[in-house]
Amino acid sequence: QQQVKQSPQSLIVQKGGISIINCAYENTAFDYFPWYQQFPGKGPALLIAIRPDVSEKKEGRFTISFNKSAKQFSLHIMDSQPGDSATYFCAAHGFSGGYNKLIFGAGTRLAVHP
Amino acid sequence: GAVVSQHPSWVICKSGTSVKIECRSLDFQATTMFWYRQFPKQSLMLMATSNEGSKATYEQGVEKDKFLINHASLTLSTLTVTSAHPEDSSFYICSGEIAGRSYEQYFGPGTRLTVT
Repeated sequence: QQQVKQSPQSLIVQKGGISIINCAYENTAFDYFPWYQQFPGKGPALLIAIRPDVSEKKEGRFTISFNKSAKQFSLHIMDSQPGDSATYFCAAHGFSGGYNKLIFGAGTRLAVHP
Repeated sequence: GAVVSQHPSWVICKSGTSVKIECRSLDFQATTMFWYRQFPKQSLMLMATSNEGSKATYEQGVEKDKFLINHASLTLSTLTVTSAHPEDSSFYICSGEIAGRSYEQYFGPGTRLTVT
């Protein structure tokens, strides 16, 4: 119930295309859903996040779509660029074991080809 | 804003020795800091959560006597890997949670530990 399932595991997109990464969760008590971008050898960087009372959030080329009833959320990267090539992790914030924590998806390795 | 640093960025140690990794929040106070471990091409695995001035809370399966965590101040947490073995080789990443904004975690750049 604490898991966050992320797909696909890897994704290849042509420059200018749309990259779509999906995540699903079971715990309805999760209350915050961030996406992180990680380059090789670096720590994750917060990209964009959404709360469950909002169905969509857009920041520049990045959009989160959130479907509360289906317990799914997705990241859309518009006009994908080679510089977007990285690993993307979705996460869900919840209370477990006595404190708040982030539960991470398995990650999606995105490659944007020029 | 919300910058977290880690030191060292890369360390090699011999089997049986101990190594300390520092995590600092540079421009905010982190009442809570988290330590993660990441193996190649895998996701982040939470090891422990530390609150300033309190004992760390370890995730199930993480040896608290092997991975010593100290959260001495609102800007500094340390992870000491004691009696390191080659299987402890990994990428260790810390994050800080801004006081009053418990939803947002800001991550450090990570520390690559190699045990020979």
